[in-house]
Amino acid sequence: SQKIEQNSEALNIQEGKTATLTCNYTNYSPAYLQWYRQDPGRGPVFLLLIRENEKEKRKERLKVTFDTTLKQSLFHITASQPADSATYLCALDSSASKIIFGSGTRLSIRP
Amino acid sequence: SAVISQKPSRDICQRGTSLTIQCQVDSQVTMMFWYRQQPGQSLTLIATANQGSEATYESGFVIDKFPISRPNLTFSTLTVSNMSPEDSSIYLCSVLLFNEKLFFGSGTQLSVL
Repeated sequence: SQKIEQNSEALNIQEGKTATLTCNYTNYSPAYLQWYRQDPGRGPVFLLLIRENEKEKRKERLKVTFDTTLKQSLFHITASQPADSATYLCALDSSASKIIFGSGTRLSIRP
Repeated sequence: SAVISQKPSRDICQRGTSLTIQCQVDSQVTMMFWYRQQPGQSLTLIATANQGSEATYESGFVIDKFPISRPNLTFSTLTVSNMSPEDSSIYLCSVLLFNEKLFFGSGTQLSVL
């Protein structure tokens, strides 16, 4: 069955450093992969989408890479800030417009 | 984007009772979904709410336990029936826009005693 794994349950880094989160998937070839941010008590918020024919996409301090050979996406936050502390979810398209989610990585940025 | 209003935002219920969660969207959308997020876990898709027809349920979820209505393109309800403590979760309504981006309501935090 399709499986999405986010390798780190939690990640703690120093403010100003680059945070790198990993997402791996198996048994599927998605047309695109997405990253969402979720704050406590809130629904996830869409951040970035990268398509299977794209290797990298950027949005302000965010960068996503997509390696369809390795079946892996990396999500980077550069110049991290305490306000970036949240849970980040990787997601990919399944069949019939359904989107399935990884388990998430809880990121903490310490001042 | 879309503005999605979900209510109630939280509720505490007794086992054996049922709770209906409402989801209102500020624009007409084709694809609407219900997810569950158990404590400390990620999101699990419960079903796709289809306008004018029965919902499409994912493996492990059945209509008798989670009946869904979708009377029009802006509104849906999810009922959690005959609740047990294992149903304690956050329930999230979401819509798919531009065929690829999900937008979520703020969720319903359900606790079953």
